[in-house]
Amino acid sequence: EPEVTQTPSHQVTQMGQEVILRCVPISNHLYFYWYRQILGQKVEFLVSFYNNEISEKSEIFDDQFSVERPDGSNFTLKIRSTKLEDSAMYFCASRGSYTEAFFGQGTRLTVV
Amino acid sequence: EDKVVQSPLSLVVHEGDTVTLNCSYEVTNFRSLLWYKQEKKAPTFLFMLTSSGIEKKSGRLSSILDKKELSSILNITATQTGDSAIYLCAASVQITGNQFYFGTGTSLTVIP
Repeated sequence: EPEVTQTPSHQVTQMGQEVILRCVPISNHLYFYWYRQILGQKVEFLVSFYNNEISEKSEIFDDQFSVERPDGSNFTLKIRSTKLEDSAMYFCASRGSYTEAFFGQGTRLTVV
Repeated sequence: EDKVVQSPLSLVVHEGDTVTLNCSYEVTNFRSLLWYKQEKKAPTFLFMLTSSGIEKKSGRLSSILDKKELSSILNITATQTGDSAIYLCAASVQITGNQFYFGTGTSLTVIP
C-alpha cells in the first residue's frame, strides 16, 4: 500500500539552528501539506503546495519557514532559525484529486 | 473564522461499551468530513463522508454526516482496548490550498 514517508523520525536541534524535515509523498499525488501538532494540542495547518508553488499558508508559516520540492519526489520543510516553540510533531500529507489526505508518520522536532 | 469542534474532549469506557463521538463544523466551501484515528503518531484515515445521511461502516466503526446540522458522528460498538486513541475529525473545503481544518480531537480510553 502506498504511503507517505518522513525522515528523520526524531530530530533534536539547538535553538537558532536550521533544520530540514523531509517527506516523500505518494507518487502521482498532486497536493502536499505540512501540518504540525504541539504536544497535547490540535493538528495545525502550516502550508499547502500545488503545482510547484505554495497555494496557501497559515500565520504560523512566517519567514522562518520555507518549503521545496527539489527533485519531483521529495517535499521538504525548512526552518531557518529554530525557536523553542517550534518543538512539535511535524506531519507531511499528500492527496490526489478528490481523495482523502494520507499522512506520514511524522517527525518529532525537539528544540533545546 | 472556520471552525471544527469535537465532543467530548475525552471519554473513558469499559471494553464492550458503545461510544458516539461528535463533530460539528462551520467552514466555507465545505466539501467533505473526514475522520482519523491518531494513536502514537500520524493520523490514520478512517472515513470520508460527502453525502448527508449515508452511513459508512468499517467493522465496528460507522459514521454518518448531517449536512443540515453541520455535524457528523462516529460510532464504535463493542469497544476494545485497541480502540484507545485520539479521534480527529477534519472538514475538507473546496479550495486549492488548505483543504483540511482539524478539530481538537476526542481522546478515547477503553479499559478492560
